[in-house]
Amino acid sequence: QVQLQESGPGLVKPSQTLSLTCTVSGGSISSGTYYWSWIRQPAGKGLEWIGHIYTSGSTYFNPSLKGRLTISVDTSKNQFSLNLRSVTAADTAVYYCARAGLTHNFDYWGQGTLVTVSS
Amino acid sequence: DIQMTQSPSSLSASVGDRVTITCRASQSISSSLNWYQQKPGKAPKLLIYAASSLLSGVPSRFSGSGSGADFALTISSLQPEDCATYYCQHSYTPPITFGQGTRLEI
Repeated sequence: QVQLQESGPGLVKPSQTLSLTCTVSGGSISSGTYYWSWIRQPAGKGLEWIGHIYTSGSTYFNPSLKGRLTISVDTSKNQFSLNLRSVTAADTAVYYCARAGLTHNFDYWGQGTLVTVSS
Repeated sequence: DIQMTQSPSSLSASVGDRVTITCRASQSISSSLNWYQQKPGKAPKLLIYAASSLLSGVPSRFSGSGSGADFALTISSLQPEDCATYYCQHSYTPPITFGQGTRLEI
């Protein structure tokens, strides 16, 4: 059974970088053909897809965040990471990591981690 | 970007009712449509993929239909545990987008 777990600071100051890591267990991040994804949800609002990194290492980002975003993978640790630069209060949300297959349906999710942007 | 519009935004129904939630895409997306259920404080759970395929382990009272730009999620006989927010999501081509959600109260 694949499990995902987000980790990282719960509080980030405005203009700084939000950094989160997703640890995958129950399967190798480098096997199969999957999109390892980040999705966020502001309090009381809907879901916003942030971007993904494919098993091959290629990435695709939401155009609304492009330019501030990096997603990387560390196969030795079975982890993938999110870096979002120059954050503002609008980036405050619960951040989820998730796995998607080739048809981009998200079948496994982390429990989510709340990140608050505030001074 | 492909925009996804769900209706209604919220609804209230009774145990045993048949409930339908609709989702419309801003362009044709073939059958590239998934449905999720989210309960408060929890991550979304995939219910239906490719418009009408039920994920293993999901109760058979859930069903999905549609293709092109118009889709529906139907719960044939509502149960108390179905109280949740439901989201559609297109998987046609990145960027992936979700509907705004439908809050179902029982």
